[in-house]
Amino acid sequence: RKEVEQDPGPFNVPEGATVAFNCTYSNSASQSFFWYRQDCRKEPKLLMSVYSSGNEDGRFTAQLNRASQYISLLIRDSKLSDSATYLCVVTNTGGFKTIFGAGTRLFVKA
Amino acid sequence: EPEVTQTPSHQVTQMGQEVILRCVPISNHLYFYWYRQILGQKVEFLVSFYNNEISEKSEIFDDQFSVERPDGSNFTLKIRSTKLEDSAMYFCASSDNRDYGYTFGSGTRLTVV
Repeated sequence: RKEVEQDPGPFNVPEGATVAFNCTYSNSASQSFFWYRQDCRKEPKLLMSVYSSGNEDGRFTAQLNRASQYISLLIRDSKLSDSATYLCVVTNTGGFKTIFGAGTRLFVKA
Repeated sequence: EPEVTQTPSHQVTQMGQEVILRCVPISNHLYFYWYRQILGQKVEFLVSFYNNEISEKSEIFDDQFSVERPDGSNFTLKIRSTKLEDSAMYFCASSDNRDYGYTFGSGTRLTVV
């Protein structure tokens, strides 16, 4: 089983759509969880940290389920500028090693 | 907004040569990282550095690799004898709190010929 596994993509959605990304991780002792976005040939940029209580930042909502070892990201009212690859990121116990998922590519079309 | 600066943006080197990739992390950050991304593949963790020593390293980070923080601002990654398969984008990142995520630099594209 991969350490961090994401939905294979790509996702093609119209503007205004709601899209959900899923991610599972294999190490139950993982410490911290994040969603990053990466534009083509650019560096990853932090979108949000993910907490068990769930957290929201504008159109973005992230959720963590430690029991199921599952992380999700919901994007509401998709914009053209949301087109990117979304990376699920998990740190190990102690938080010094970061494991990236392979990413899910999102295309938002007009 | 504070940023992580990496130089050079692109480096071409001959197989077997040594390369040093340079990074200037955000000034008040305490945790430093190097990652690589081979074209079309996922981001891979190489090493983390805290309190002037390596905190953790991956299987990729073998004896050919080393990191250094020679002064209060720079953080370098050295590859002693480059191989063709070292061709990748190398990202530096820094953080002031590991639980709150990392800021990445724009990367150095290393091409080994």
